[in-house]
Amino acid sequence: DTGVSQDPRHKITKRGQNVTFRCDPISEHNRLYWYRQTLGQGPEFLTYFQNEAQLEKSRLLSDRFSAERPKGSFSTLEIQRTEQGDSAMYLCASSFTSTGQGEFFGPGTRLTVL
Amino acid sequence: GNSVTQMEGPVTLSEEAFLTINCTYTATGYPSLFWYVQYPGEGLQLLLKATKADDKGSNKGFEATYRKETTSFHLEKGSVQVSDSAVYFCALSWGEKLTFGTGTRLTIIP
Repeated sequence: DTGVSQDPRHKITKRGQNVTFRCDPISEHNRLYWYRQTLGQGPEFLTYFQNEAQLEKSRLLSDRFSAERPKGSFSTLEIQRTEQGDSAMYLCASSFTSTGQGEFFGPGTRLTVL
Repeated sequence: GNSVTQMEGPVTLSEEAFLTINCTYTATGYPSLFWYVQYPGEGLQLLLKATKADDKGSNKGFEATYRKETTSFHLEKGSVQVSDSAVYFCALSWGEKLTFGTGTRLTIIP
């Protein structure tokens, strides 16, 4: 297994454009998480899925953000009408059942909104 | 709510020095505790974990003990190497997500 992968690794966009990120978790993991990390801060939870069901969303996830995991495998995170404040590293993680044993993180997608 | 407070950096040490990075937490119940490490240009990696009070997590010469009475999970290493230079994050889980501290940047000089 090659671990959690994310695509793209870097994305530069203009304010107002839509962007979509993809995450491929470790294959046997049924839980998938999205976090956001800004410079000098720790990651902040955005949302998580168990299989294809989205079970929790943070208040950080405004209406412009939507996440899907249609077949319980890969996931996408879309940001509509991007704003400069959306510039951050978007991290995906996966785990098997609960987080009590830790989550495995991908390399992240760095978004820059101009 | 749950929160994690960790030692502010940056921390600079000489090779073979003793390392301590302090981490304290606030949580309802008894969370699991973690240290993650982020090497330059790489993603977060789980370094060690402890799931109940008095457990000691260890990996790569690093250790941390889950202290319920002081709500702490301090990271220690007896002799650091240049390759330990990275950002270290303390985190807890209670429920279905991780709550992270702000990270401590560690630089080891030869």
